[in-house]
Amino acid sequence: DAGVIQSPRHEVTEMGQEVTLRCKPISGHNSLFWYRQTMMRGLELLIYFNNNVPIDDSGMPEDRFSAKMPNASFSTLKIQPSEPRDSAVYFCASRGGGGGTGELFFGEGSRLTVL
Amino acid sequence: AQSVTQLGSHVSVSEGALVLLRCNYSSSVPPYLFWYVQYPNQGLQLLLKYTTGATLVKGINGFEAEFKKSETSFHLTKPSAHMSDAAEYFCAVSGQGAGNMLTFGGGTRLMVKP
Repeated sequence: DAGVIQSPRHEVTEMGQEVTLRCKPISGHNSLFWYRQTMMRGLELLIYFNNNVPIDDSGMPEDRFSAKMPNASFSTLKIQPSEPRDSAVYFCASRGGGGGTGELFFGEGSRLTVL
Repeated sequence: AQSVTQLGSHVSVSEGALVLLRCNYSSSVPPYLFWYVQYPNQGLQLLLKYTTGATLVKGINGFEAEFKKSETSFHLTKPSAHMSDAAEYFCAVSGQGAGNMLTFGGGTRLMVKP
């Protein structure tokens, strides 16, 4: 089975540019999570969706960040405009429905560098 | 409310030595407990999990963890470290019940010396 698929794996951009990160969750999973990982702050939950609906976006750092999930198989995280402090690894994770144990399945991450 | 504390952000062991990574949790409901491993430039991968039943849980790559309710701990061990075990390890907890949000600890970086 394919796992969580993220693209791009690496992105280098200049300050002020728009960045779009993409995620395809595991088929059949109904919850999707976006995390950010930095040396300073560790792993931070940015936002999560249940059945394509954003449930909690309290972790989104600023209005420059936005996330969408137009259907069950695709989500985007957008940063506009980007700043050097946004440099981090962004992870997408998905989880099956029915409660379960809460276990998350992570993608390989998108490493963003903003110059 | 849930929280996880991992004691020691960095642990260094010699190859062949015992690995012990500590994790303590708090949860207002019976917990599910997890250990994830993150190798360099990769995502987090499930190492093992405790849900119910046997309190000693075995995972991949020879790792195991024991759920101790009285101590609110879920320490990760491996009898003999291998160079390939060098990675970052995350302990996490979720609660039995609606929502089941996963709360992660701060991570422990394991270094293995030859």
